Amino acid sequence: DAGVIQSPRHEVTEMGQEVTLRCKPISGHDYLFWYRQTMMRGLELLIYFNNNVPIDDSGMPEDRFSAKMPNASFSTLKIQPSEPRDSAVYFCASSPQNGRGGTDTQYFGPGTRLTVL
Amino acid sequence: KQEVTQIPAALSVPEGENLVLNCSFTDSAIYNLQWFRQDPGKGLTSLLLIQSSQREQTSGRLNASLDKSSGRSTLYIAASQPGDSATYLCAVREAGSARQLTFGSGTQLTVLP
Repeated sequence: DAGVIQSPRHEVTEMGQEVTLRCKPISGHDYLFWYRQTMMRGLELLIYFNNNVPIDDSGMPEDRFSAKMPNASFSTLKIQPSEPRDSAVYFCASSPQNGRGGTDTQYFGPGTRLTVL
Repeated sequence: KQEVTQIPAALSVPEGENLVLNCSFTDSAIYNLQWFRQDPGKGLTSLLLIQSSQREQTSGRLNASLDKSSGRSTLYIAASQPGDSATYLCAVREAGSARQLTFGSGTQLTVLP
């Protein structure tokens, strides 16, 4: 398996523009997570899905952020309009319902580095 | 609210040394605890996962222990190598049906050749 795939790897945009980040989870995984990492706040969970249904979006910072999972193999995180304080690395991770031995290890993608000017 | 703390924030050791990274959490009602490794510009890679009923897990030169009652975990790295240089993060999943992890801020490890 190719692992979790994220695109783009780098995104530079201007304040006010719409940004869409994409994620393809590992095939067969039932859970998908979106995280944001910054120096100041570390790694924060934004939202996660189970079987394409959003379970907890309490980490989404504000209405400018939205996430969708139209099918089991694709998810998007959208920021509209973007602001400089949204600059961060955004990670997607996926996890099986019940992994080997009952574990639920999360597998992370390489991340998207977003810079909003 | 669960809080996870990692000390020290950075550590530099000569090659060959054994070392210990520390992780503490405020709420002992956890489901499991994981240790991850993050290389610069990369995503996180899971190293070890300890279920709440377990005391330790081992993988190669890595050994992770868990003392749930005191809210502590340690990651022991034996015979460190320059290739071990990375940031190590611990994360806890709380008891219950929720799947989210709470991460510590990480320990940046540098192993000098």
